[in-house]
Amino acid sequence: NAGVTQTPKFQVLKTGQSMTLQCAQDMNHEYMSWYRQDPGMGLRLIHYSVGAGITDQGEVPNGYNVSRSTTEDFPLRLLSAAPSQTSVYFCASSPGLAVGYQETQYFGPGTRLLVL
Amino acid sequence: GQSLEQPSEVTAVEGAIVQINCTYQTSGFYGLSWYQQHDGGAPTFLSYNALDGLEETGRFSSFLSRSDSYGYLLLQELQMKDSASYFCAVGSGSARQLTFGSGTQLTVLP
Repeated sequence: NAGVTQTPKFQVLKTGQSMTLQCAQDMNHEYMSWYRQDPGMGLRLIHYSVGAGITDQGEVPNGYNVSRSTTEDFPLRLLSAAPSQTSVYFCASSPGLAVGYQETQYFGPGTRLLVL
Repeated sequence: GQSLEQPSEVTAVEGAIVQINCTYQTSGFYGLSWYQQHDGGAPTFLSYNALDGLEETGRFSSFLSRSDSYGYLLLQELQMKDSASYFCAVGSGSARQLTFGSGTQLTVLP
């Protein structure tokens, strides 16, 4: 199993550009989520999904959009990039919402985004 | 909302024991998780405590006291490779979305 994969690894954008960060998992996990991590800080939840077709907002959703058409894929879209979105983005998945499963999340390698 | 507090930095020598504390405030508490993150890498799951007491996994142990809203991660026989950031996290909401602390940077000295 490849686990959780993310592309691209690095990206530089200009203010106002849009882009999609890709995330895929091959573990048949129901739950997927996107976090951002800024220097010296913990991970903050952007959006999450409890299954195909179901998404919801996390702590910092503004400026981001998600969809979940398949169990495997959970792309994150930046609608109009801003310098404040410069961060490291991590995608994660977990087997489901049963107690203990949800708390065990598998993270992808991250995408490092710089917005100029 | 949820909030978690943990020390920003801890330093210890190889072979020693170190404890990383975490206090939390949350509604609808389900349990406390711990993750490890090496510099520039992906966070990896270490442990989860739903009930009071100590959970042991090899050199790592995690403790929870629900009445005190407090937990800790205990690392024994420290090795250089244990140098990393450690995050505590709590779940809340209908999907028990995780909220992470700001992390503790552990430096292991030779």
